[in-house]
Amino acid sequence: ELKVEQNPLFLSMQEGKNYTIYCNYSTTSDRLYWYRQDPGKSLESLFVLLSNGAVKQEGRLMASLDTKARLSTLHITAAVHDLSATYFCAVTPYNNNDMRFGAGTRLTVKP
Amino acid sequence: GAGVSQSPSNKVTEKGKDVELRCDPISGHTALYWYRQRLGQGLEFLIYFQGNSAPDKSGLPSDRFSAERTGESVSTLTIQRTQQEDSAVYLCASSKDRLYEQYFGPGTRLTVT
Repeated sequence: ELKVEQNPLFLSMQEGKNYTIYCNYSTTSDRLYWYRQDPGKSLESLFVLLSNGAVKQEGRLMASLDTKARLSTLHITAAVHDLSATYFCAVTPYNNNDMRFGAGTRLTVKP
Repeated sequence: GAGVSQSPSNKVTEKGKDVELRCDPISGHTALYWYRQRLGQGLEFLIYFQGNSAPDKSGLPSDRFSAERTGESVSTLTIQRTQQEDSAVYLCASSKDRLYEQYFGPGTRLTVT
């Protein structure tokens, strides 16, 4: 059974600091996704990572994928308050429709 | 263009009643997913539709749950004889195809009293 584990689950950081969220998964995957969810809102797609070594950046967020280690990271650079949200990684197992989400990392950026 | 829409946005129902939730995907998206998100939790996959193929129902938690989709249009998720543990936000997502990014609707918040 595919398992997707994120850590940390809760992250409180100060503005201007850097941090990394980790996403480990347990089986071969087609691709990996990162989503953002604001309180009371739906999910917004951030990144789709397709292959080993893929790196994508948008603003202060950068995501990478290591398929051999079955690990993706979401790196936050010089955090700002607007980045406060819950971040989910999700994985589609190879040849399977069952997209599995991690439990989410609730990020709070304090001034 | 229009995104994924869901209705109703909120539904309060009594235990034992049936409810029907609706999802309008983005036009042209062949793949449609339903998820359940309990308070403070991640997303739980329920069911997947791809074009006219048989749906993947492997995530449905019990036979009280069913879903339909006609072609590449609207989908409905039906929960029969609702229980309190069914209380959650039900999210619908659509994508161009299985491996493309999913676009999520705003969700339906279901409360079973």
